[in-house]
Amino acid sequence: KNQVEQSPQSLIILEGKNCTLQCNYTVSPFSNLRWYKQDTGRGPVSLTIMTFSENTKSNGRYTATLDADTKQSSLHITASQLSDSASYICVVRAGGGYNKLIFGAGTRLAVHP
Amino acid sequence: EPEVTQTPSHQVTQMGQEVILRCVPISNHLYFYWYRQILGQKVEFLVSFYNNEISEKSEIFDDQFSVERPDGSNFTLKIRSTKLEDSAMYFCASSPTSTGNTEAFFGQGTRLTVV
Repeated sequence: KNQVEQSPQSLIILEGKNCTLQCNYTVSPFSNLRWYKQDTGRGPVSLTIMTFSENTKSNGRYTATLDADTKQSSLHITASQLSDSASYICVVRAGGGYNKLIFGAGTRLAVHP
Repeated sequence: EPEVTQTPSHQVTQMGQEVILRCVPISNHLYFYWYRQILGQKVEFLVSFYNNEISEKSEIFDDQFSVERPDGSNFTLKIRSTKLEDSAMYFCASSPTSTGNTEAFFGQGTRLTVV
């Protein structure tokens, strides 16, 4: 069964600190992996999309890594800001589908002053 | 910046009633999707829609659900005979194509509460 698992479930950090969120997936066939940011009560907003051949991709203070062999990804946030407080969701697109996305449960990040 | 818009933002309905959730996808997009998120749970795929027909659906999307693109701009999700367990946030999304790294843009969601 296609699954996306994330850890930790929740995380509290101080403003200015870095953090790394983890994602493991079992999705076949694999098309690409995305990280989304979801503010409470809002729709997910894409941060990065990575294909099989990409190991790392950055978007500002967000850097995603992908190891397609071990089926693991991470999202690193540097110099966190209060506005980074949100859920970060790892999403894998299954190949062959019409953009059928398989969502992880997300990591809820709280950045405190 | 173009965005997917959904209405209403919150809908309360009595069990057994029918509801229609509305979405206006980004204007030049061709692929449309509905997802739902039960409170505290993962976002789940419901259905994808292209060229005026369903292209893929999940096991959740049974006969209780239907989708329609009644005109050139709206994309609707109809839920018949609602049940308590249909209470969730429903997200509409659209994309210009369905291939590879195509980005899917999500709306803000409609919170459906069945009482």
